[in-house]
Amino acid sequence: EVQLVESGGGLVQPGRSLRLSCAASGFTFDDYAMHWVRQAPGKGLEWVSGINWNSGSFDYADSVKGRFTIARDNTRNFLYLQMNSLRPEDTALYYCARGPLSTGWFQYFQHWGQGTLVTVSS
Amino acid sequence: DIQMTQSPSSLSASVGDRVTITCQATQDIRIYLNWYQQKQGKAPKLLIYEASNLELGVPSRFSGGGSGTHFTLTINSLQPEDFATYYCQQNEHLPLTFGGGTKVDIK
Repeated sequence: EVQLVESGGGLVQPGRSLRLSCAASGFTFDDYAMHWVRQAPGKGLEWVSGINWNSGSFDYADSVKGRFTIARDNTRNFLYLQMNSLRPEDTALYYCARGPLSTGWFQYFQHWGQGTLVTVSS
Repeated sequence: DIQMTQSPSSLSASVGDRVTITCQATQDIRIYLNWYQQKQGKAPKLLIYEASNLELGVPSRFSGGGSGTHFTLTINSLQPEDFATYYCQQNEHLPLTFGGGTKVDIK
């Protein structure tokens, strides 16, 4: 069974940093691209960042470009999101999501974790 | 960036109704349009991928259609468990983008 378990969220002051982690199990992690998707309280879904199987391709939403960094560790089956210079508008539930088995990494999201909540406030 | 516009933003329907939600893209995205269902307090669930392909395990009352810039999600014979918010998402171009959502509630 595919499992994605996010951690690392919490309350952080504006301008500070936070690192999110996603522990993956139940599938061959390095066969798949991975993504972060967020949802602000009471709002819709926003793709944040994605990374291909070998970290050779990745991208970010304009709203986080230059502040967030996606990474993965295929030896430990973990996905990460380093979030710097956090802003109140980054407050959201952050989901880790897996795409389908595919050569491309612009994908849809077949499996989702339950999310980790990030609150940016002074 | 490709903007995805869903309509309506909300609707009220009864059990047994046929419901159609539309999603319009600002550029041609061929068939790279996907639909998700999200229930309150839960993670989204993939329903339809590449415009018309039903994800494994999703009931056949859900169907998707369209190509290019105009797409539809249809729910035939709405069931009590279908009351939720539905999102479309394109994966033709980066950044990947979602529609604003359509909330389906009980009339």
